[in-house]
Amino acid sequence: DIQMTQSPSSLSASVGDRVTITCQASQDISNYLNWYQQKPGKAPKLLIYDASNLETGVPSRFSGSGSGTDFTFTISSLQPEDIATYYCQQYDNLPQTFGQGTKLEIK
Amino acid sequence: QVQLQESGPGLVKPSETLSLTCTVSGGSISSYYWSWIRQPPGKGLEWIGYIYYSGSTNYNPSLKSRVTISVDTSKNQFSLKLSSVTAADTAVYYCAREADTAMGWGYWGQGTLVTVSS
Repeated sequence: DIQMTQSPSSLSASVGDRVTITCQASQDISNYLNWYQQKPGKAPKLLIYDASNLETGVPSRFSGSGSGTDFTFTISSLQPEDIATYYCQQYDNLPQTFGQGTKLEIK
Repeated sequence: QVQLQESGPGLVKPSETLSLTCTVSGGSISSYYWSWIRQPPGKGLEWIGYIYYSGSTNYNPSLKSRVTISVDTSKNQFSLKLSSVTAADTAVYYCAREADTAMGWGYWGQGTLVTVSS
């Protein structure tokens, strides 16, 4: 299985801050990577697909980049409603696998 | 707007079979890939498997010997069966559909907690 390692596991930031989360794959996955947001008690929501494409309806402050084994997810200006846990997911190889998650909190 | 809703018992005894159904509304199940994903309490996400509307499936090897996913196009539903459950199978189980234009899970049910306990 491809292991997905996210960093950091948790993060505290202030409203308006630029926030960056990284995801590293244990082998080359090209750009077959998605990012999800999960708020407490809710189902995950797809934000970014194919590493850098914004899903329809997702605010433009969210962005993604990377290819191969190293990927980055960025919130350009943190908003209170962005408090959630964020997961990366690879679909290059089966089984699909997720990172362990990054819990984002407001400072 | 496509909506998904999981249903099934919230409590299953050890060694028995967990059975869940996902009912799709607002769209036909006769297209796209459909998946089951689970999340143990306080933990991360685990992909269980997916089915194409035609019936072809792929399962997570870690669960493959115990999992069956099936589709009933006449009822616009797909189902999960997980046999020989243990406490480690306690989780919120989500059904999901691939996104309209992306290879990601774009539509999700609200999730249902299944507890394995005697």
